[in-house]
Amino acid sequence: DTEVTQTPKHLVMGMTNKKSLKCEQHMGHRAMYWYKQKAKKPPELMFVYSYEKLSINESVPSRFSPECPNSSLLNLHLHALQPEDSALYLCASSQARDSYNSPLHFGNGTRLTVT
Amino acid sequence: AQSVTQLGSHVSVSEGALVLLRCNYSSSVPPYLFWYVQYPNQGLQLLLKYTSAATLVKGINGFEAEFKKSETSFHLTKPSAHMSDAAEYFCAVSDHRDDKIIFGKGTRLHILP
Repeated sequence: DTEVTQTPKHLVMGMTNKKSLKCEQHMGHRAMYWYKQKAKKPPELMFVYSYEKLSINESVPSRFSPECPNSSLLNLHLHALQPEDSALYLCASSQARDSYNSPLHFGNGTRLTVT
Repeated sequence: AQSVTQLGSHVSVSEGALVLLRCNYSSSVPPYLFWYVQYPNQGLQLLLKYTSAATLVKGINGFEAEFKKSETSFHLTKPSAHMSDAAEYFCAVSDHRDDKIIFGKGTRLHILP
């Protein structure tokens, strides 16, 4: 069982919908991440939060809006998505942002389909 | 910029045979290297990591990897493949100048009965 929990597991949404993806960890990690993974591709970094503050935004379109309400929770708010945004969205956490010393712990992802 | 290259997008081995997944890195500074595994419909799981303490790194599930600076390689091996090893394997390097992990394109491991 993974220690990073993502909900929902699957999500189908229309291009005019607003939805949110949720991620939770209780390992005391202070860095949390959103990745996007297309089929047969490696994960692509979207956002990094360090101590609940956004520290990296990899030029992600504004239709994706991250939020970190507290050190255990990470949300990704979705609005006006396009079909090409369909992918597996992975949340990860690490003890700190120094990835060489604290590897990433991934959730099982949310499989998003935009119709 | 740091990068990793995984040779072979698909590798097939027979059950019980040696597993060898290749990874070469490019880095202008001493690298930190990782192998992650992804089973179907799951997230990535860390197999092992190299952080300069020892060149031969042992990981979970019987996997190990050897850091060879002269060859800029960090190949993953397992002496005897099991059906449960079938998965996608990602080699990754840490760019500790900005604390990002850069993933290779992945290698799909198939285990033949």
